[in-house]
Amino acid sequence: AQKITQTQPGMFVQEKEAVTLDCTYDTSDPSYGLFWYKQPSSGEMIFLIYQGSYDQQNATEGRYSLNFQKARKSANLVISASQLGDSAMYFCAMREGGMETSYDKVIFGPGTSLSVIP
Amino acid sequence: DAGVTQSPTHLIKTRGQQVTLRCSPKSGHDTVSWYQQALGQGPQFIFQYYEEEERQRGNFPDRFSGHQFPNYSSELNVNALLLGDSALYLCASSLLLLFGESYTFGSGTRLTVV
Repeated sequence: AQKITQTQPGMFVQEKEAVTLDCTYDTSDPSYGLFWYKQPSSGEMIFLIYQGSYDQQNATEGRYSLNFQKARKSANLVISASQLGDSAMYFCAMREGGMETSYDKVIFGPGTSLSVIP
Repeated sequence: DAGVTQSPTHLIKTRGQQVTLRCSPKSGHDTVSWYQQALGQGPQFIFQYYEEEERQRGNFPDRFSGHQFPNYSSELNVNALLLGDSALYLCASSLLLLFGESYTFGSGTRLTVV
């Protein structure tokens, strides 16, 4: 069974500092994808970054990078130079199977609330 | 390019009633997934529709049902509403065969059951 764990219910970071949000996952499927989403108070889920299980390099998207440690089943999100607008809920998510499979489901962790302090 | 559109944005229903939520996927997407997000929790997968059929289902009772239309839009129906059904219902669309592509989410429908 799939499982996503985010052990930090809430995090605080000073504006302009970097912050790491933790995510561990559990799967027996060799082919999977990992996502991070941001959910502001408005409710919309905003895609931030993706890492495939076979990707050799850690994914980066602007100020977001994903610290992927496959052996430890860890996929931490690093946000550099935090901004006030980064205050939101952050969800780690996983999708199992590759293009050869007939199923497609993304499951989410419980989330981490990030507050950026001026 | 319109993203995912959900309607209504807010809804208040009484216990025992039935509700229908609607979703129009992003242009070009063929798959629609529905999620329930209770306050302070992560989204929980309800089910997914592709080619007008339910392909996968999460751990939700039969009171939750859905439909996908030929234009890929989708409906989520919940019968015999319970107080515990109060949540944000998120619709997400995607292209089935693009494994690395993220879902595109709508802004959700906030359902309150009283």
